[in-house]
Amino acid sequence: SAVISQKPSRDICQRGTSLTIQCQVDSQVTMMFWYRQQPGQSLTLIATANQGSEATYESGFVIDKFPISRPNLTFSTLTVSNMSPEDSSIYLCSVLIVGTGGFNEQFFGPGTRLTVL
Amino acid sequence: AQSVSQHNHHVILSEAASLELGCNYSYGGTVNLFWYVQYPGQHLQLLLKYFSGDPLVKGIKGFEAEFIKSKFSFNLRKPSVQWSDTAEYFCAVTVGFQKLVFGTGTRLLVSP
Repeated sequence: SAVISQKPSRDICQRGTSLTIQCQVDSQVTMMFWYRQQPGQSLTLIATANQGSEATYESGFVIDKFPISRPNLTFSTLTVSNMSPEDSSIYLCSVLIVGTGGFNEQFFGPGTRLTVL
Repeated sequence: AQSVSQHNHHVILSEAASLELGCNYSYGGTVNLFWYVQYPGQHLQLLLKYFSGDPLVKGIKGFEAEFIKSKFSFNLRKPSVQWSDTAEYFCAVTVGFQKLVFGTGTRLLVSP
């Protein structure tokens, strides 16, 4: 397993501003992901954070809106840029760990609850 | 596109009642299946998983799930729920290379 921490745990922001969320893992991991969980909805993958290269974004998400950094194998940041109330969500960091038998499992951080006014 | 359907959005049960939460996926290839649980105020935790082998999978806290390939289903069950099982439950499927696709979630409320 992995211990994942996120900062901040929650924030209230004004529209038009940007917020950077940090994700720290207690061990080196190859793959890290960023998800969004909008109120009353399920989790949606935003992007895969690649170490040493640009993140891979899912359909509907773009780098200008959600820039991601992955400077090393234990840390990543997600920025929510030019925020609007529609960006109010829980943002979760996730890591992929190789489990028993070589099968991979994803573990999730505690999430960052963002409210945009 | 691949998708995961959870039929019950809200379930209310009394303690000791039996639980079954439905999950269906739409993907014809090899799948890995998961159930995650999110207790109030806590982060997402893995409840159980299926990769291969015995289609009846046992997880933590007395939960189990059965993979029925012909029905594209992976229903979650527990014979007797407790108040502490109150949580939101998410079914998820890996598609391609470790990309998790989640269902919409089921909120379970267990009354004491």
